[in-house]
Amino acid sequence: ETGVTQSPTHLIKTRGQQVTLRCSSQSGHNTVSWYQQALGQGPQFIFQYYREEENGRGNFPPRFSGLQFPNYSSELNVNALELDDSALYLCASSPSQASGGAEQYFGPGTRLTVT
Amino acid sequence: GENVEQHPSTLSVQEGDSAVIKCTYSDSASNYFPWYKQELGKGPQLIIDIRSNVGEKKDQRIAVTLNKTAKHFSLHITETQPEDSAVYFCAAVSGGSYIPTFGRGTSLIVHP
Repeated sequence: ETGVTQSPTHLIKTRGQQVTLRCSSQSGHNTVSWYQQALGQGPQFIFQYYREEENGRGNFPPRFSGLQFPNYSSELNVNALELDDSALYLCASSPSQASGGAEQYFGPGTRLTVT
Repeated sequence: GENVEQHPSTLSVQEGDSAVIKCTYSDSASNYFPWYKQELGKGPQLIIDIRSNVGEKKDQRIAVTLNKTAKHFSLHITETQPEDSAVYFCAAVSGGSYIPTFGRGTSLIVHP
């Protein structure tokens, strides 16, 4: 069984640029959530996708957007990057909500540095 | 919304000792409480969880207890080993939301 994978592992961007991060969910999981984790903090919920629809959103501005594809993989897009966007971005997949799937399985994360 | 407080922020123990990490939550509708272990450079790993219809759950050296009346839950690690050293996060999920609110984490250091 393949776990959650994310790409790239690291990247460096300049303030004002745009970035796309990618996530492949664990086999059999149809829900994907994205989190931002600043150094020394717990993960902060950005949004969740269930069957290609946004299913909840945290306190993040509209320049954070996402997509989920028919194979349940997902993208996180961030426009107009700011210095404070520097963080570890985590993707987590969950089994079917119909079976009470609140368990989240995290990928290794993408370390984004904005200069 | 839900608010999760986690203590202590740092916990240092000797190998073989027990470690206890405590969390409180605010939303009485929360009914699922996972615990995650995060090692340096890796994503959080689900290590144990408990649902609101259960008061205690054990898995080898790890146990979690839940007190719904007091709205607090705890992680207990017995016979700690150096490889238990990591940051541990608690979380609470409100019924029907499937979205966890995380505590700020506890850095556990196990000295050989």
